[in-house]
Amino acid sequence: AAGVIQSPRHLIKEKRETATLKCYPIPRHDTVYWYQQGPGQDPQFLISFYEKMQSDKGSIPDRFSAQQFSDYHSELNMSSLELGDSALYFCASSTGLFADTQYFGPGTRLTVL
Amino acid sequence: AQKVTQAQTEISVVEKEDVTLDCVYETRDTTYYLFWYKQPPSGELVFLIRRNSFDEQNEISGRYSWNFQKSTSSFNFTITASQVVDSAVYFCALSEAENSGGSNYKLTFGKGTLLTVNP
Repeated sequence: AAGVIQSPRHLIKEKRETATLKCYPIPRHDTVYWYQQGPGQDPQFLISFYEKMQSDKGSIPDRFSAQQFSDYHSELNMSSLELGDSALYFCASSTGLFADTQYFGPGTRLTVL
Repeated sequence: AQKVTQAQTEISVVEKEDVTLDCVYETRDTTYYLFWYKQPPSGELVFLIRRNSFDEQNEISGRYSWNFQKSTSSFNFTITASQVVDSAVYFCALSEAENSGGSNYKLTFGKGTLLTVNP
């Protein structure tokens, strides 16, 4: 069965640079969630989209923005990167049904030097 | 506000032992959903189970079983006859049915329990 695809899998950036993370949801899933997991931490919700509209926002820095496109893929844009942004970034997708299960992608490991 | 507590930070067992991972949650909603995810050393998050607040039936799937008790706000996970491949961090998560319209079912995770199964 098709899974959530995230690219790139690994990314190394310098401080103050920008990064773009991409997420391709499972086919026919119209909802995308982004989570950030710091080392030894639990995943923290950043932002979600339903049918290409932002549906919820968590503790996402103003330096970050995201959107969902017409083909339902999503991109997380991160600017003015800081050392503390180094983390594993997960995308999850689900159907728009009531609290349907979120299936996670393999994650993008971002390292900021 | 929703909250999930996994009091066990680390558990170490020997292969073939049974092990129970505890999860206690807090929510003001009457409708909510509970999940368990497994995160092996490779880093991905693997879905294990989803339970809604109206279904208190326990569930068994192979060596895995889950005990949901609303009276104690707990959703515990038991692995029977543990194997080395079960070594991972296990996360319990909660989703509330807050905000009408759209899909606002973000997950709130517990801190996770690191399970190490030794041969």
